[in-house]
Amino acid sequence: AQSVSQHNHHVILSEAASLELGCNYSYGGTVNLFWYVQYPGQHLQLLLKYFSGDPLVKGIKGFEAEFIKSKFSFNLRKPSVQWSDTAEYFCAGKVGSQGNLIFGKGTKLSVKP
Amino acid sequence: DVKVTQSSRYLVKRTGEKVFLECVQDMDHENMFWYRQDPGLGLRLIYFSYDVKMKEKGDIPEGYSVSREKKERFSLILESASTNQTSMYLCASSSERPGRRVYEQYFGPGTRLTVT
Repeated sequence: AQSVSQHNHHVILSEAASLELGCNYSYGGTVNLFWYVQYPGQHLQLLLKYFSGDPLVKGIKGFEAEFIKSKFSFNLRKPSVQWSDTAEYFCAGKVGSQGNLIFGKGTKLSVKP
Repeated sequence: DVKVTQSSRYLVKRTGEKVFLECVQDMDHENMFWYRQDPGLGLRLIYFSYDVKMKEKGDIPEGYSVSREKKERFSLILESASTNQTSMYLCASSSERPGRRVYEQYFGPGTRLTVT
């Protein structure tokens, strides 16, 4: 079955630490992958997306993700987190022909000041 | 900027009531989606629509129905609300037309529904 999985449920970091959140997908064909972020009390917003081309994708707020086809992975990274990065992060992949996305279960990131 | 609005941020209903959640988008998007978001379960797709009067079941359609009479509006209906439908409901929209940030979903602020 098509799925997107996120390895970590809750990650706690101190400010300035580096971040890597794992995401794996399990479907074939054309791969369109997304990372969304939900700050406390706010709506989901897009961080970055991969459709094709350069597997290293840069997004907003200093985030980046690398698509590694051989590992079916699309991990999110940030070299130095800030307290304001505290949020829940969702990885998603497009499936089907009508633009449906499958979402992972989310990773909560808590950054200690 | 794309704007997706939902009729209520918070809603409290009683078991057995019929509940309507409304969603409106202003970007002429073809696709609209309803999800529920529960802690530890992520987002689960309830229904989606890719055109006016068209609807498709998602992963968890039981107990829900939808209506899309106009392109900009997508309604989620709980025919007889139950306590296990207490959740955060998110609406989203997207486009597949070239040059329109294909498949990128834009989300509303959510409606937190409590069924007592």
